[in-house]
Amino acid sequence: DAGVIQSPRHEVTEMGQEVTLRCKPISGHDYLFWYRQTMMRGLELLIYFNNNVPIDDSGMPEDRFSAKMPNASFSTLKIQPSEPRDSAVYFCASSLDRYRGSTDTQYFGPGTRLTVL
Amino acid sequence: KNQVEQSPQSLIILEGKNCTLQCNYTVSPFSNLRWYKQDTGRGPVSLTIMTFSENTKSNGRYTATLDADTKQSSLHITASQLSDSASYICVVSPGESGGYNKLIFGAGTRLAVHP
Repeated sequence: DAGVIQSPRHEVTEMGQEVTLRCKPISGHDYLFWYRQTMMRGLELLIYFNNNVPIDDSGMPEDRFSAKMPNASFSTLKIQPSEPRDSAVYFCASSLDRYRGSTDTQYFGPGTRLTVL
Repeated sequence: KNQVEQSPQSLIILEGKNCTLQCNYTVSPFSNLRWYKQDTGRGPVSLTIMTFSENTKSNGRYTATLDADTKQSSLHITASQLSDSASYICVVSPGESGGYNKLIFGAGTRLAVHP
């Protein structure tokens, strides 16, 4: 398997523009996670899905952020409108719930480095 | 307040030496604790996952220990290699039934292994 795939790898945009980040999880995985990483705040969980259904979005910073998972092989994280403070690396991760718990290994993608000017 | 604190913030060691990274947490109740390795410019890679009932778990040259009574965990790296240069992140999951909600992340320890 190719692992978790994210696109684009780098995105530079201007403040106010819409940004869409994309993720393809590992085939067969039923959990998908979106994280954000910055130097100031470290790694933060934004939202996660189970079987394409959003389970908890309490980590989403504000209404400008939205995430969707229309099918088991694709998810998007959208920021509209973008602001300079949204600049960060956004990671997508997936896992397989084999033990009906939260101790399954999460596999991370390479991340999307977002710069908002 | 639930917190995860890692020490040291950064560490430099010579190739072939051992080292130990620390993680102290105040999360209660506690479900599990994870250690991740993150190479520069890459996504984190899971090293170990321990539930509250586990004391130690190994993954090759990496050995994690957990003391749920003192709320401390350590990651020991044996016979370090240049490829061990990375950030190591401790993550604690609160709650009695687990769940990914409200994962608490440490700030990480940046390790540099020099030849």
